[in-house]
Amino acid sequence: GEDVEQSLFLSVREGDSSVINCTYTDSSSTYLYWYKQEPGAGLQLLTYIFSNMDMKQDQRLTVLLNKKDKHLSLRIADTQTGDSAIYFCAEKESDMRFGAGTRLTVKP
Amino acid sequence: NAGVTQTPKFQVLKTGQSMTLQCAQDMNHNSMYWYRQDPGMGLRLIYYSASEGTTDKGEVPNGYNVSRLNKREFSLRLESAAPSQTSVYFCASSRTGEGSGELFFGEGSRLTVL
Repeated sequence: GEDVEQSLFLSVREGDSSVINCTYTDSSSTYLYWYKQEPGAGLQLLTYIFSNMDMKQDQRLTVLLNKKDKHLSLRIADTQTGDSAIYFCAEKESDMRFGAGTRLTVKP
Repeated sequence: NAGVTQTPKFQVLKTGQSMTLQCAQDMNHNSMYWYRQDPGMGLRLIYYSASEGTTDKGEVPNGYNVSRLNKREFSLRLESAAPSQTSVYFCASSRTGEGSGELFFGEGSRLTVL
């Protein structure tokens, strides 16, 4: 099957930038997504990028897509304690497949 | 806005007991899904329903059954619960056709099987 892989943990200091990385294997993915899960809650879409784009910026969030290397990243600028959560990378061609999630811890 | 509503939020079962997780969405979405979330494994698709009246197996369907009762409701049934089914279950829905295909999730149902 197709896999989506991401590291499980990331710790940063408040005010620093966070970069969460993801690799995927399905080259026919139409959309790639970043979802955020706060404690005790379901996943919420943070941002997504269409496969023919290589960058998308939305306020403090920057998504970079390298299709050749099948690599997706999420950069959060000026990371705040409220950004502490689990971030899931996902790809979709026919159905949506998720990575295991990266737990971001923001230290004051 | 209710979005996707799941019940119950918490449940403890003994091995062999049965139960049904309920899910309802009020966004007029055609597609609905059941996922399970386990530590270090992300979300895995159990079953999905592309439209009212249809259901299909996902990645991990064994031990589960589903019913798409109508366009709004999609239930997940465990006929004979096993400890391996201890997990957090999420229902989700999405619009089909054009668009990003974003999934809208419920808040989850935490199930423990003893």
